[in-house]
Amino acid sequence: GAGVSQSPSNKVTEKGKDVELRCDPISGHTALYWYRQRLGQGLEFLIYFQGNSAPDKSGLPSDRFSAERTGESVSTLTIQRTQQEDSAVYLCASSLPDRYQPQHFGDGTRLSIL
Amino acid sequence: LAKTTQPISMDSYEGQEVNITCSHNNIATNDYITWYQQFPSQGPRFIIQGYKTKVTNEVASLFIPADRKSSTLSLPRVSLSDTAVYYCLVGDAYNQGGKLIFGQGTELSVKP
Repeated sequence: GAGVSQSPSNKVTEKGKDVELRCDPISGHTALYWYRQRLGQGLEFLIYFQGNSAPDKSGLPSDRFSAERTGESVSTLTIQRTQQEDSAVYLCASSLPDRYQPQHFGDGTRLSIL
Repeated sequence: LAKTTQPISMDSYEGQEVNITCSHNNIATNDYITWYQQFPSQGPRFIIQGYKTKVTNEVASLFIPADRKSSTLSLPRVSLSDTAVYYCLVGDAYNQGGKLIFGQGTELSVKP
């Protein structure tokens, strides 16, 4: 079956521009996660959705970052007024809502800020 | 959230068994231990999960001692394609508001 799909796979933009990253989770996965991974680093948790709700947004790095999810499906991560330090791979994962369910990851969006 | 410690890197040769140990001294009673594998330019992929003793699947084995303060991922007869970063995680995203700490992982390099 289809896995987690992220688009675009690569995004190059100028500093100060806004970007929108998209994640299509596996059908039926009500839990959705966003992570950031800088070059050579581990994954940094950003935000988690259970259904369309994000109970805790404290992982978002700044108020330039926002995320939403609709229809318990597609999620978008928006970065406003991008800065060079936002350059990273942004990974999305989804899972079933039960305890200890493994997360299924997409291959990420590689974001480069010039 | 339980913190994990694992070696930054390991080297091996094709056909050898590789054991990667992860320390998690402050694991909670209800925490499970999960391992993921990540290839370059890909998202992490679930390998194995366990709570105690030993778990085995078609890819790996996971050994967890009685005190659960550490765990060892065992990869039998590795091949070049097992070159990847391996992450040990402790906890449960469902009950932790989605937060799981991936850390820097162990970069395994398999040589011919």
